[in-house]
Amino acid sequence: KNEVEQSPQNLTAQEGEFITINCSYSVGISALHWLQQHPGGGIVSLFMLSSGKKKHGRLIATINIQEKHSSLHITASHPRDSAVYICAVDSGGGADGLTFGKGTHLIIQP
Amino acid sequence: AAGVIQSPRHLIKEKRETATLKCYPIPRHDTVYWYQQGPGQDPQFLISFYEKMQSDKGSIPDRFSAQQFSDYHSELNMSSLELGDSALYFCASSLGSGGYGYTFGSGTRLTVV
Repeated sequence: KNEVEQSPQNLTAQEGEFITINCSYSVGISALHWLQQHPGGGIVSLFMLSSGKKKHGRLIATINIQEKHSSLHITASHPRDSAVYICAVDSGGGADGLTFGKGTHLIIQP
Repeated sequence: AAGVIQSPRHLIKEKRETATLKCYPIPRHDTVYWYQQGPGQDPQFLISFYEKMQSDKGSIPDRFSAQQFSDYHSELNMSSLELGDSALYFCASSLGSGGYGYTFGSGTRLTVV
């Protein structure tokens, strides 16, 4: 079973700061997902990565397959970015879907 | 674009009651996964279905059952509810084993009182 570790667990930053959230996993994967969950809300899929880098607005996600590591970056952070960010990996072919990290609780203060 | 629809959004039940949660995948998706996320916990896989057949089983209690219907929607049936069943139950759908990605529902927040 894939072990997914996220860091940091909690992060508080000021509006405008550059944010980095890290995710490491133990076993080779077919894809990695970054998800966002607002308090009391459901899950929104931000990115699905199998290699390289993806960018959407102020969000950037990178993955290094050899190092089994991915990062999610938020540029010019805003209070509305406050949420839990979850890394989830697809080990490929498994009928149990994704293995989730414990999430990073991000608070952006105005 | 259509998303994964879950109903109800919120549900309050008393101990020992039963509950039925529904998940409607996006069109063309044939695989549904159910997850349980307790307060402050990471999501735990419960069960999945592919082409109306159970595909895999995770930490789903014996008090729970689920099925996938001919229109690919799935229902999670929960009986003899316990306080510890209070959680967010969300489903995800995919085409096949998820190589083209997963789409997530907003979840059903179940509170057992």
